[in-house]
Amino acid sequence: DAGVIQSPRHEVTEMGQEVTLRCKPISGHNSLFWYRQTMMRGLELLIYFNNNVPIDDSGMPEDRFSAKMPNASFSTLKIQPSEPRDSAVYFCASSQPNTGELFFGEGSRLTVL
Amino acid sequence: AQTVTQSQPEMSVQEAETVTLSCTYDTSENNYYLFWYKQPPSRQMILVIRQEAYKQQNATENRFSVNFQKAAKSFSLKISDSQLGDTAMYFCAFYGTYKYIFGTGTRLKVLA
Repeated sequence: DAGVIQSPRHEVTEMGQEVTLRCKPISGHNSLFWYRQTMMRGLELLIYFNNNVPIDDSGMPEDRFSAKMPNASFSTLKIQPSEPRDSAVYFCASSQPNTGELFFGEGSRLTVL
Repeated sequence: AQTVTQSQPEMSVQEAETVTLSCTYDTSENNYYLFWYKQPPSRQMILVIRQEAYKQQNATENRFSVNFQKAAKSFSLKISDSQLGDTAMYFCAFYGTYKYIFGTGTRLKVLA
């Protein structure tokens, strides 16, 4: 298996622009997580899906952030409008039922100017 | 609410020596998992070791072992025979009912 695939690896955009990050989880994994990593806050859980259904989105910073999982093999995290404080590395991770082990993608580094 | 605390922001160790990274957590759950993940400069997060809370025996993976003290809610990672490739950020993580929480990390540097 190719592992968790994220795109883009790097994105530089200007404040106010829409940003869409994409994730393809490992086939057969039924849980998907979006994390944000910054120096100041470390790894923050943004949202967690189980069987394509959002279970916990309490970590989503504000209404500018939205996440979808239309099917078991694809998820998006959208920021609209983006702000400089959104600059971070965004990780997607998936896991199998009941094992707890997270398999991470390589992350998407977002820079908002 | 569950919390995970790593009190050592940075550590260093000489190559071939042993180092222990600390982690404490707080939860009211009885069944959960604990993990150590490694993030090298490449930024890829990699699982190092996992421990099921219902197992009394400490997990071991080659040079990596844990000291799991359930009553004390402590979960430390011991790295034996440290290698230069062990240089990385190490994150302790708790997985309970629909919650996956990471500590703030310990930056470990292995010195030649």
